[in-house]
This record gives sequence, C-alpha cells and structure tokens, in this order.
Amino acid sequence: SYVLTQPPSVSVAPGKTARITCGGNNIGSQNVHWYQQKPGQAPILVINFDSDRPSGIPERFSGSNSGNTATLTISRVEAGDEADYYCQVWDSSSDHAVFGGGTQLTVL
Amino acid sequence: QLQLQESGPGLVRPSETLSLTCTVSGASISSSSYYWGWIRQPPGKGLEWIGSMHYNGRTYFNPSLKSRVTISVDSSKNQFSLKVSSVTAADTAVYHCATDLKFSGSTIFDYWGQGTLVTVSS
Repeated sequence: SYVLTQPPSVSVAPGKTARITCGGNNIGSQNVHWYQQKPGQAPILVINFDSDRPSGIPERFSGSNSGNTATLTISRVEAGDEADYYCQVWDSSSDHAVFGGGTQLTVL
Repeated sequence: QLQLQESGPGLVRPSETLSLTCTVSGASISSSSYYWGWIRQPPGKGLEWIGSMHYNGRTYFNPSLKSRVTISVDSSKNQFSLKVSSVTAADTAVYHCATDLKFSGSTIFDYWGQGTLVTVSS
C-alpha cells in the first residue's frame, strides 16, 4: 500500500520559516492534505489539495507538492504553531486514506 | 456549525467487540455531501484511518482492519457507529469520528470529534 514518510521532528526559532516534508512515490500526482494536532485536541485541517487554505487558517500556512515530496511551509512561526502535523492522501489504487507518521514541530 | 461527538465504553475486554457511536449536529447524516468516518490514534502514535460510510450504504475500509470492522448509519438519530470485533491491546487508542468529504478523487477529513479513549484490557 501507499506509504507517506515524514520526519519525526522539526525545530524552528520564532519568526523563522518551518518546512515539513511528506515523501511518497510520485506524490506530486496525488492531492495532499495537511492537519495540525495540538496535545489533547482533535486534528484540524490547515491545507487541502496541496496548497489551499481552509477558511480561518492564517496566510502563514502554505503548501506545495511536486515529484516525490509535498511540503507544508509555516512562515513567521509563532509559539502557538507548536503541534504535530500530518499529511494525508487518498490512495485510489486501493481506495483507502493514508496518513503520514506525523511531524512534531518544536518552536525553540 | 457541524459538530461531532463520540460516545461509548472506555474499557473493553480482549476478544470482545468495541462499539462506539458518533452523534452529528449541525448537518443531516443523510446529506449526500459527506461520508462518515472513523480514525484512531494509539497513545503517543500517529493517525490511522479505519473506514468511512455514506448513508446510501457505500463503504470504504482500511484493508488492515476490514475483516473486523463494521460501520453503520442511523439517520433517525443522526448518528453513525463503529464496531471492531476480536479486539486486542493493539486496538487501544483514541477513536475520532470525522466527516469524510470526497471531492475530485480525494478525501478530506474536515470536521472531527474530540475523540474518546478506548482501552482494551482484562
């Protein structure tokens, strides 16, 4: 089945840019969605269809997807962005949803 | 505003069946827009999709769980349910219900319940 690979952790200083990657075989041909999950809370959708921001998500959050890597970029990182981030696709070859293993973002 | 709330036992014995219900408010479960899904998260680990169902009966399941999972919809109560049979300690997790929006050949989980912890233990 389709596998999505994320780095376990990313650290960034406040005000800097964080980039969280999601690797998969020819993932550029897939629609990638990103979720933010803070401790004890349900995940929330922060990017859908590679680069679209749902209503209420700050412009600091953006996404891209090409080749074998999709990337979630968080500009001007704030302490409140500290969370786990998950990428997700729909594997149409086997009709099931796949999540990446998650990346813990630490704001230094 | 669409909201989802999970309910069910927090403790299930090994080999028994885990049963959870998700109550939907702010939308009709008979809506053609959504599938209704379940996603779980073992303590300290990542998200795992379990399966999703449309009110018309169409279902999709995670192949790794398909043989043990049943999802059903009760439109009269605006609820949908999950059953996982023959549970083991590996099924211990926070279980979330979520809306599964299928669009342009993909799936987005755009609304989530807060989640309920189910522990499998004797």
